[in-house]
Amino acid sequence: LAKTTQPISMDSYEGQEVNITCSHNNIATNDYITWYQQFPSQGPRFIIQGYKTKVTNEVASLFIPADRKSSTLSLPRVSLSDTAVYYCLVGEGLGSQGNLIFGKGTKLSVKP
Amino acid sequence: AAGVIQSPRHLIKEKRETATLKCYPIPRHDTVYWYQQGPGQDPQFLISFYEKMQSDKGSIPDRFSAQQFSDYHSELNMSSLELGDSALYFCASSLRGQPHGYTFGSGTRLTVV
Repeated sequence: LAKTTQPISMDSYEGQEVNITCSHNNIATNDYITWYQQFPSQGPRFIIQGYKTKVTNEVASLFIPADRKSSTLSLPRVSLSDTAVYYCLVGEGLGSQGNLIFGKGTKLSVKP
Repeated sequence: AAGVIQSPRHLIKEKRETATLKCYPIPRHDTVYWYQQGPGQDPQFLISFYEKMQSDKGSIPDRFSAQQFSDYHSELNMSSLELGDSALYFCASSLRGQPHGYTFGSGTRLTVV
């Protein structure tokens, strides 16, 4: 599984757009990029998954450049309830047959 | 929608005791994964099962064992408990061939005293 690197922590204010970038230089051809959100004492929750270009759902957007060596999770207009740890995971067919290997996530703190 | 159910939610055990954690995956999901998350740590993969057979093994101690039953629920058995086993234990399930993420349960908080 490709190793990922993301910032340890980020601070933001309510109403701002937050972009969290993840580096995955050795991503393989078959790898997908998936982001999870985790609140304290709760299980990780799937946010978004992509392979290339841009993916958007009701929660977030995921931007993946052509070389796929990085990806950016974009959270529009964050609120206090978005304070959580965000994990970027890269692996073959995630949700298909691969095991999720968590690295160091990004602790996002949203302030009023 | 049905979610992944874990029981118990909280468990307190003494050192050297045994513990059994249970996981009920989402109906029709064929794969179950177990994770351990210590205080302030990231989730660590322990073991997974696909169609009731062990699929992959991570950093699971020899004192731990797990299995998946005919109804697809899974149990994580932990023996000779140590203080360091105190953690949140998460179970996740997925359907092979279907991307878009795994679904995690709410976890079991194990405290070893």
